[in-house]
Amino acid sequence: SQQGEEDPQALSIQEGENATMNCSYKTSINNLQWYRQNSGRGLVHLILIRSNEREKHSGRLRVTLDTSKKSSSLLITASRAADTASYFCATDVMNSGYALNFGKGTSLLVTP
Amino acid sequence: DAGVTQSPTHLIKTRGQQVTLRCSPKSGHDTVSWYQQALGQGPQFIFQYYEEEERQRGNFPDRFSGHQFPNYSSELNVNALLLGDSALYLCASSPGGQGFHEQYFGPGTRLTVT
Repeated sequence: SQQGEEDPQALSIQEGENATMNCSYKTSINNLQWYRQNSGRGLVHLILIRSNEREKHSGRLRVTLDTSKKSSSLLITASRAADTASYFCATDVMNSGYALNFGKGTSLLVTP
Repeated sequence: DAGVTQSPTHLIKTRGQQVTLRCSPKSGHDTVSWYQQALGQGPQFIFQYYEEEERQRGNFPDRFSGHQFPNYSSELNVNALLLGDSALYLCASSPGGQGFHEQYFGPGTRLTVT
């Protein structure tokens, strides 16, 4: 079973626009991570946010975490065609060891 | 600094056969995890190896087994292949020890079972 669920399933925007993806999860977590995957290849780690953090930035990425709502959002500002990919959130469930639990991902298409 | 490497890139096997996939972790990492990603789905955790022992296992049958070598590289073995085993198999490495660490993924091995 999958712990996280991304929303929307698919998103299409134009270059220069901002893209926002959301992730909801079911049980308490230690950390939440966002990954990017291009065309069925390996996952690229984007950012990790710990359960005691509320917001984190990395370049054009902004991640928020609301543990009371069990949700997170990933904002990509000033998107580029190269941002076209699938984006996954992954959680490690508190007291459940080291496994990452992924959602089904958001497929982002950025058109020139 | 080489990242996580996996071999082979692609593999085609027949139902009932056995397959071995290989993974070399990122330099400085001693923990290896394996994930299965079916088409259109997120990765599913298979198991994790640390100090040459299986530290945690996901909800996969015993047909899936693994090994970690003293140099921290790892193998994933799948016996009696089923059509449903067709997927992208991802290896991830991280520094071990206490606490949770970021996991870095390799490019994956695409397994097709016919």
